Parts: sequence; structure tokens; C-alpha cells
Amino acid sequence: AQRVTQPEKLLSVFKGAPVELKCNYSYSGSPELFWYVQYSRQRLQLLLRHISRESIKGFTADLNKGETSFHLKKPFAQEEDSAMYYCALRTTGGGNKLTFGTGTQLKVEL
Amino acid sequence: ETGVTQSPTHLIKTRGQQVTLRCSSQSGHNTVSWYQQALGQGPQFIFQYYREEENGRGNFPPRFSGLQFPNYSSELNVNALELDDSALYLCASSTDRSTDTQYFGPGTRLTVL
Repeated sequence: AQRVTQPEKLLSVFKGAPVELKCNYSYSGSPELFWYVQYSRQRLQLLLRHISRESIKGFTADLNKGETSFHLKKPFAQEEDSAMYYCALRTTGGGNKLTFGTGTQLKVEL
Repeated sequence: ETGVTQSPTHLIKTRGQQVTLRCSSQSGHNTVSWYQQALGQGPQFIFQYYREEENGRGNFPPRFSGLQFPNYSSELNVNALELDDSALYLCASSTDRSTDTQYFGPGTRLTVL
């Protein structure tokens, strides 16, 4: 069965510092990976997906199949990045079902 | 374009009761997925509906059931409520393409006493 692990419940960084939110997955096939974000009092929304290979709000994530990781990175944290971040996996042939990690709360301090 | 809506926002029930949660999908979407998010956890997939048929189910007992209507809106029904059913229930809609993005609603907070 597939699994997504986010080892950090809380990550606190200072404004302007680099951010790395860790995500590891286990799945024997070829997965599709996503990062979803939930800002305070807002709904869960897609931040980025690995097949798009794009940068959203300065965030990037590279799928590393060797290390089964999909870490989310941003070179310079902004106060508005404070939010809950969830890594999610969609398996091939599994329809449109997402398996989520437990989430990491990012707090950007001034 | 109208986003995903869910009702009610909050609900309090007692053990053994039954509950129905509702979801209206985003315009143009024909697939609805339901997730349960317990406190401190990520969302867990319950099931998915496509064209009024269940199209995939997670590890939830049969007392969790659903419906999808011709207008693609959906209901989640939970019978014989247990304390552990207390959670945020999220609905997400998408097109039927397996590569499509899921768009989430704001959720229904269910408390079982």
C-alpha cells in the first residue's frame, strides 16, 4: 500500500531564510506527487504537482525516485508562507484518489 | 465559475445517530471524492463517485455510504455514529480525467458526543 511521510509537524523559520519541507513516499509503481497548502481559515488548495515542474509562489519541488522524496523548497521565506502544507500521492491506475501525509505547519517569524 | 460548497458547516450528533453531509461540485466537474480529516492528521480517502456510481473506496466500513446525483452533487451518509467519526469531512470535485486536479470544499466539522 502507498504511504506518505512528513516527518516534521512544525517547522519554524525566520523571514528571508530558506525553507525545506520534507516529504517521503512509499509506492512500488510510478506515483504522481503533489503539495497542497491550507492558509488560515481557507480551504485546502493545490500548490504544485511534480509533472508540471513549475515554481509557484517561489516554491519548487523535485521528485527524487531514488530517495522516494518530494521535498518542497523555497530560497527565501515570506511571512505569507505561514500555513499548513500537505504532501500527497496519486497512484497510476488508482483513479483520482489522493493519499496525504500528516502535514507540516510552517511558521515564518519576523 | 462556482467553487465546491459543502453543508452544513458544523454538526453535532450523538453516538448511534445517523448523519448526512452534502457537497456541490465545481461547475464542469463530474467526479466527487470524500475525505475524512481527523484532528492532527492529513485527509484520508473515503470514496469517490463518478456519474452516480462509486468509483473507488478507501479503508472505511460499510456504514459510510454515499450518493451522487445527476447534477453531480453528492451526499456522504454515516450510520451508527461512533466517537471516532468526529472529524472534518472534505469533499473534492474534479473531472473524470485521472490526471485532473481535485478542488476542495471548505469541509463539514462533525462532532460526535
